[in-house]
Amino acid sequence: QVHLVESGGGVVQPGRSLRLSCAASGFTFSSHVMHWVRQAPGKGLEWLAVISSDGSNQYYADSLKGRFAISRDNSKNTVFLQMNSLTVEDTAVYYCARLPYGSGYDYWGQGTLVTVSS
Amino acid sequence: DIQLTQSPSFLSASVGDRVTITCRASQGITSYLAWYQQKPGKAPKLLIYAASTLQSGVPSRFSGSGSGTEFTLTISSLQPDDFATYYCQQLYTYPYTFGQGTKLEIK
Repeated sequence: QVHLVESGGGVVQPGRSLRLSCAASGFTFSSHVMHWVRQAPGKGLEWLAVISSDGSNQYYADSLKGRFAISRDNSKNTVFLQMNSLTVEDTAVYYCARLPYGSGYDYWGQGTLVTVSS
Repeated sequence: DIQLTQSPSFLSASVGDRVTITCRASQGITSYLAWYQQKPGKAPKLLIYAASTLQSGVPSRFSGSGSGTEFTLTISSLQPDDFATYYCQQLYTYPYTFGQGTKLEIK
């Protein structure tokens, strides 16, 4: 059974950093492209970043302005999102999601809440 | 970036109604479009991918159509469990943008 479990969220002050993790199980993690998506309170979904199955390629939303970095450790079945220079606008629930080839996101984590506040 | 515009943004309907939500892309995306359903406090759920392919386990009252720049999600006969927010997403090119969402409410 496929499971994605995010962790690492919490309350952080503006300008600080946070690293989110997404632990995967129940499938061959190293064969799947992984994405991060976020949702600010009461708002819609925002695509953030993607990493290829072997970790060699990453793409980001322009709005992140180079502050976020996605990475993965296939030996630990985990994908990460390093978030730097956080602002109040980064307050959101952060989801990791699996994207099989030719499909949509068929599995999502439960989300982890990041609150940026002084 | 490719912009996706959903219409309507809000929809009030009754159980048993047939409803259609439209998603328009700012440029052609062939059939690289997915639809999701989201309920409060929950992660989105994949309904349709490749514009018209029903995800396994999704009831057949959901259907998708379209290609290029215009797409539709249709629910043939609304059930109580269908009242939620629906999003389209293009998977044609990065960044993989979402529509702004359509909130489907009970009339």
